[in-house]
Amino acid sequence: GNSVTQMEGPVTLSEEAFLTINCTYTATGYPSLFWYVQYPGEGLQLLLKATKADDKGSNKGFEATYRKETTSFHLEKGSVQVSDSAVYFCALFTGGGNKLTFGTGTQLKVEL
Amino acid sequence: EPEVTQTPSHQVTQMGQEVILRCVPISNHLYFYWYRQILGQKVEFLVSFYNNEISEKSEIFDDQFSVERPDGSNFTLKIRSTKLEDSAMYFCASSVDSGPGNTIYFGEGSWLTVV
Repeated sequence: GNSVTQMEGPVTLSEEAFLTINCTYTATGYPSLFWYVQYPGEGLQLLLKATKADDKGSNKGFEATYRKETTSFHLEKGSVQVSDSAVYFCALFTGGGNKLTFGTGTQLKVEL
Repeated sequence: EPEVTQTPSHQVTQMGQEVILRCVPISNHLYFYWYRQILGQKVEFLVSFYNNEISEKSEIFDDQFSVERPDGSNFTLKIRSTKLEDSAMYFCASSVDSGPGNTIYFGEGSWLTVV
């Protein structure tokens, strides 16, 4: 079956630090990969996605590259801000399953 | 930008009561979903719905749950007899299709508290 593994949180960083949140997956078929973000008190918002190997999704300074050889989709940002504090969810989608499979989420706290 | 809207944002109900959570998916979308997130846990798939019928459901989606598209715009989740463990954030979502590269858009969630 499908599964997503994310690094444990919380991750606490100082503003302007470099961020990496690791995500690896197992899937039947050829999944599309997503990062969703949940800001405090809000719902899930799509942050970025990649649909095929070597694709790089990017948005708001965040980026992630679909690595088929390592079955990974790590999220990175060069310089985080306090406003980036949120829970980040890695997810995969396979058309046959018609559903998203989420990781457990990684809480990011950015401090001044 | 079009968005998925959900009501209510928060509902408190007594154990054993029926609850209906409502959603208005994005207007040109054809696939509809419910997910839930128990506090501190991962987001879990409940059910997907297409062409007026359930296309897939998880083990969580037992006989106490049902979904309906009563008109051309609303998509509802009903829990017939709520239990304490049904307390969670329920997310409605929709998508244009289910193929590769499909993006699923989520609403802001309905927080259900069963007491």
